[in-house]
Amino acid sequence: GAVVSQHPSRVICKSGTSVKIECRSLDFQATTMFWYRQFPKQSLMLMATSNEGSKATYEQGVEKDKFLINHASLTLSTLTVTSAHPEDSSFYICSARRRGGRSGANVLTFGAGSRLTVL
Amino acid sequence: ELKVEQNPLFLSMQEGKNYTIYCNYSTTSDRLYWYRQDPGKSLESLFVLLSNGAVKQEGRLMASLDTKARLSTLHITAAVHDLSATYFCAPYLRNDMRFGAGTRLTVKP
Repeated sequence: GAVVSQHPSRVICKSGTSVKIECRSLDFQATTMFWYRQFPKQSLMLMATSNEGSKATYEQGVEKDKFLINHASLTLSTLTVTSAHPEDSSFYICSARRRGGRSGANVLTFGAGSRLTVL
Repeated sequence: ELKVEQNPLFLSMQEGKNYTIYCNYSTTSDRLYWYRQDPGKSLESLFVLLSNGAVKQEGRLMASLDTKARLSTLHITAAVHDLSATYFCAPYLRNDMRFGAGTRLTVKP
């Protein structure tokens, strides 16, 4: 089945530093990847949608200069949290849409998530 | 923008009882997903519903979709403790997928 690998699963960093999270589709090509943010005991909030080879589309209220998304290949998207602050601490989850998936198939596969703690 | 309302937000059940979680959404969608999330974990896919009248069942969980009413339900039959988790519905339209607020289910002995 389709597998999405997300790394790191946990990261702790100091305020002001940048953190990169990777999302890889291991056995399929992902034309589109989604990045979500989840605060404790809340739902998932869509941050941005990235398509391979083009700029990401950010949701309203999400700072594109702070949350840099790169989707350089059909199997890899990265989210970089720049100049992280404690309020950026959250659970970040990616999902990948399979290219050419059958209609009716479960087209989105989620990564395991990355828990970011900014001190 | 696709908006999703899920209720109840919290559900405490006795083992062996039945209950239904409701998911209303604001615009026509291509399909609707149900996910389960355990504490500290990512999402586990439960069901994908593709068309009006679709019904899927897996064990004690059954999901249905009424696209005309823009409503999906997740029915729990004879709940057991292992079903304790947070359940999310997520309608999907083209490249837009939105999640409901989630229903935190606790099944008590």
